[in-house]
Amino acid sequence: KAGVTQTPRYLIKTRGQQVTLSCSPISGHRSVSWYQQTPGQGLQFLFEYFSETQRNKGNFPGRFSGRQFSNSRSEMNVSTLELGDSALYLCASSLVGVGGNEQFFGPGTRLTVL
Amino acid sequence: LAKTTQPISMDSYEGQEVNITCSHNNIATNDYITWYQQFPSQGPRFIIQGYKTKVTNEVASLFIPADRKSSTLSLPRVSLSDTAVYYCLVGGPNTGGFKTIFGAGTRLFVKA
Repeated sequence: KAGVTQTPRYLIKTRGQQVTLSCSPISGHRSVSWYQQTPGQGLQFLFEYFSETQRNKGNFPGRFSGRQFSNSRSEMNVSTLELGDSALYLCASSLVGVGGNEQFFGPGTRLTVL
Repeated sequence: LAKTTQPISMDSYEGQEVNITCSHNNIATNDYITWYQQFPSQGPRFIIQGYKTKVTNEVASLFIPADRKSSTLSLPRVSLSDTAVYYCLVGGPNTGGFKTIFGAGTRLFVKA
């Protein structure tokens, strides 16, 4: 069974640009969550999508948005990039998406903002 | 959402048993306790999950006392490859899905 895949793996952007990251969950998984990881702030929850609906959201500004498609694939968009957005962005999928379900993480997308 | 507290770091030697304790005083009735392992530049990997008493799988054991205000991850006979960050998470179906809060984690360093 294929794992969670994320594209691209590495990305370099400049301040003010926008970026779209993609995540393909494990087949059959309907919940997709996104996380940002930085050395200073650790792993922070961005949002979770379930059946194309955003079900939970972390404490991030509106520049961070996402969506989920009918095949459960998800995209995350960051507009007007800032230097502080440089981070490893992780996507995780889960079968049902409620507490108690194991989350499977992808390898992440390393975003560098110059 | 229940907050978790773990030691920032731990050192061990190969072959020893390592116990990492996590405090979660505000755990809710429906909350599960889950542990993840993360290597540098990789996504976290599920280790073990439990609700109460003891859970054991092929890589670890999880001990949860009756009051569930803490839990202990036990790694038997660690090796160098167990050097990683270990996260304790608490969450349950009453949260309406995942709004997972990762703490700072415990950085385990296994020495030869």
